[in-house]
Amino acid sequence: DTGVSQDPRHKITKRGQNVTFRCDPISEHNRLYWYRQTLGQGPEFLTYFQNEAQLEKSRLLSDRFSAERPKGSFSTLEIQRTEQGDSAMYLCASSLVGTEQFFGPGTRLTVL
Amino acid sequence: KNEVEQSPQNLTAQEGEFITINCSYSVGISALHWLQQHPGGGIVSLFMLSSGKKKHGRLIATINIQEKHSSLHITASHPRDSAVYICAVLMDTGRRALTFGSGTRLQVQP
Repeated sequence: DTGVSQDPRHKITKRGQNVTFRCDPISEHNRLYWYRQTLGQGPEFLTYFQNEAQLEKSRLLSDRFSAERPKGSFSTLEIQRTEQGDSAMYLCASSLVGTEQFFGPGTRLTVL
Repeated sequence: KNEVEQSPQNLTAQEGEFITINCSYSVGISALHWLQQHPGGGIVSLFMLSSGKKKHGRLIATINIQEKHSSLHITASHPRDSAVYICAVLMDTGRRALTFGSGTRLQVQP
């Protein structure tokens, strides 16, 4: 296993369109996290899964955002009706319980 | 006020210099992470610590739980150390996600 992977790496979309990102964690990791990072800032927490259960969501995760991890393996993050303020780097990380988090390369979203 | 504060925000050093980046936090924590982020976005975990000191190569991380402060030191800095260094904490509230500082941008000049 080569680590956490994310797809796509870059996404350009027009305002109002829906986008979906995928994260494949390290295979034995049961925890999966989504973060968002805007330019010049540190990442901010969006949501986290333990296995297939979504255990915590940030207030940043408006009703336009939805995340799933249906089989406790890969996860998807969907943004509906994108806005220019959604432009950011979306980072995924995974971990075992009580261990450090390993980050993916991120998906950079640009909303025109 | 942010729960995790880093200083300095930007740092320029000459190759070979000893570098210190500071992190202060205002909440109870169970662990603190130091992360490195290169241009293009990839984040690499450098250290996870809850007490004392850890060393890996030219990197040293220390934490003082009573003072709610951590430092990341780089000895014999090199241009390849140029990156953004981010401090992140795992709060002791049971929350499992990290809370991040805004990062320190380090530029090491040859």
